[in-house]
Amino acid sequence: DAMVIQNPRYQVTQFGKPVTLSCSQTLNHNVMYWYQQKSSQAPKLLFHYYDKDFNNEADTPDNFQSRRPNTSFCFLDIRSPGLGDAAMYLCATSRVPAASYEQYFGPGTRLTVT
Amino acid sequence: KQEVTQIPAALSVPEGENLVLNCSFTDSAIYNLQWFRQDPGKGLTSLLLIQSSQREQTSGRLNASLDKSSGRSTLYIAASQPGDSATYLCAVFNAGGTSYGKLTFGQGTILTVHP
Repeated sequence: DAMVIQNPRYQVTQFGKPVTLSCSQTLNHNVMYWYQQKSSQAPKLLFHYYDKDFNNEADTPDNFQSRRPNTSFCFLDIRSPGLGDAAMYLCATSRVPAASYEQYFGPGTRLTVT
Repeated sequence: KQEVTQIPAALSVPEGENLVLNCSFTDSAIYNLQWFRQDPGKGLTSLLLIQSSQREQTSGRLNASLDKSSGRSTLYIAASQPGDSATYLCAVFNAGGTSYGKLTFGQGTILTVHP
């Protein structure tokens, strides 16, 4: 089945140690999104790629970076994780333009910072 | 700036009850509205998507309605079951601009269905 895959599902990193989260998709969608969801909060958009065009949200900290080497893969890099970056990170994809603009979500990566 | 509010924040019902979850949004210029389910510690599962031109969508025991002009949506769950226990999130998509649109989420309603 076509899907959005995130690896790893659980990631533990140390304070200040760079970490990379991975997202891949078999939907051939041209837009990929990264969301951060802290405990008991709504998902918050960090940034997204439209093809190779990177779009950063205004309030996304510089500590968060992203790479999209090809259509299928997108990475979230946290350069110096702080305790406040512990969260669920959700990847989503969509096709634009499209009739529905529906977003398809992966299972998420839960990041713990020690 | 789009803001999405979900009421109630939490709901506990006995098995078999019909229930309604509410979602409101401030900017009615939406392209679509999605309802998601999230189990504890898990990702998001899309339940229903309603286009801005539609009034409702149905899937099994779920029915979602949309009143775009008043900025409201409801998710109706019929004959609730313990397996329906989860957090239900409402999200609206505003298209346009240079960012190719944005999905804005509500805080969610935590639903508990007890046997």
